[in-house]
Amino acid sequence: GAVVSQHPSRVICKSGTSVKIECRSLDFQATTMFWYRQFPKQSLMLMATSNEGSKATYEQGVEKDKFLINHASLTLSTLTVTSAHPEDSSFYICSAREGKRAEAFFGQGTRLTVV
Amino acid sequence: DQQVKQNSPSLSVQEGRISILNCDYTNSMFDYFLWYKKYPAEGPTFLISISSIKDKNEDGRFTVFLNKSAKHLSLHIVPSQPGDSAVYFCAASVTSYDKVIFGPGTSLSVIP
Repeated sequence: GAVVSQHPSRVICKSGTSVKIECRSLDFQATTMFWYRQFPKQSLMLMATSNEGSKATYEQGVEKDKFLINHASLTLSTLTVTSAHPEDSSFYICSAREGKRAEAFFGQGTRLTVV
Repeated sequence: DQQVKQNSPSLSVQEGRISILNCDYTNSMFDYFLWYKKYPAEGPTFLISISSIKDKNEDGRFTVFLNKSAKHLSLHIVPSQPGDSAVYFCAASVTSYDKVIFGPGTSLSVIP
């Protein structure tokens, strides 16, 4: 299957600081990228969908000013958690899809801990 | 409102037997369905998909069945292996390029 690399895999930051998570498609062009969040023992909650070169579409209840998404190229999308607070601690996962393929391929996930 | 449901949070199966994971959905506009497998602290791994024009898709030990009239799909794994132990997510989208909505997952344990 296609490879999606997500970095960092784990990050600890202080409350009030910002954290950037990168998601790269290594062997295909990711026309669409998705960002999910997963709480312990819960499902993947879609945060936003981004198409290359366009503004991200955020799901209801997700603060766009807090979770900044950039999808400037066909192989890279970034999620920046701004002014992080302990309640933002979670497992963040990106996925990428090429063209109109149904299958989306996932990165390894990022465990964010805000202290 | 949960559009994709997996009513069994967990399932235990003996090695060599068949594992059947079920999924129901409420949105009749869904046209593509996918199954993912996930280990702790990792991203999900794509397993198999099916479009609404089919009722069955098979890939090795994995077969997905779709009953569109019942808004139900299932993933069959046969024979089950201990390495299959993971959380399985059912997912759906309206079109092949629409956002993917995940169910809550079913934790499968395959007992040696």
